[in-house]
Amino acid sequence: DAGVTQSPTHLIKTRGQQVTLRCSPKSGHDTVSWYQQALGQGPQFIFQYYEEEERQRGNFPDRFSGHQFPNYSSELNVNALLLGDSALYLCASSLRQGWGEKLFFGSGTQLSVL
Amino acid sequence: GQQVMQIPQYQHVQEGEDFTTYCNSSTTLSNIQWYKQRPGGHPVFLIQLVKSGEVKKQKRLTFQFGEAKKNSSLHITATQTTDVGTYFCAGRVSGGSNYKLTFGKGTLLTVNP
Repeated sequence: DAGVTQSPTHLIKTRGQQVTLRCSPKSGHDTVSWYQQALGQGPQFIFQYYEEEERQRGNFPDRFSGHQFPNYSSELNVNALLLGDSALYLCASSLRQGWGEKLFFGSGTQLSVL
Repeated sequence: GQQVMQIPQYQHVQEGEDFTTYCNSSTTLSNIQWYKQRPGGHPVFLIQLVKSGEVKKQKRLTFQFGEAKKNSSLHITATQTTDVGTYFCAGRVSGGSNYKLTFGKGTLLTVNP
């Protein structure tokens, strides 16, 4: 049973570019949340997708957008990259969007913006 | 907005010593979860607390949820080198349309063998 898989594992971009990160949730999970984790910090909630819709969003600018596909996989897009976007981007899946569900995290995508 | 604070930020102990990390929320929580992240790894779920005053144990780990559901703690008895990592608490504010988990900054535990 595959866990949460993310691709790519590492990515280097320059300021102003655009990036797409991908996530496949754990088998049987239908809810995907994206988090940004800066070095030495806790994960910061970007948004959550359920039934192919963005159900909740954190305090991130519109440059951050996402998508969920019918097979529950998800993408995170970041436009007009800034140096401050350099971070580990974590995808977490859960079963349903219930408040009591625990999160299963992928290994993350380490994004470096130069 | 909701804030979740953890102390201490770092803790270095000798193997066999005890360790405690504390978590405080600016708002009342519906539930709190704890995660462990090994160096270079990703957060892994440890436990969830839901009830006021709840205490749960997992072998050498004891988790508590405060009576007011605004604070929590994780205590490790007789630390081992395998306990090394960053421990995060993550709280969820009650509300029908709120599913966001807000993470603290974490406590990095290092253990000297």
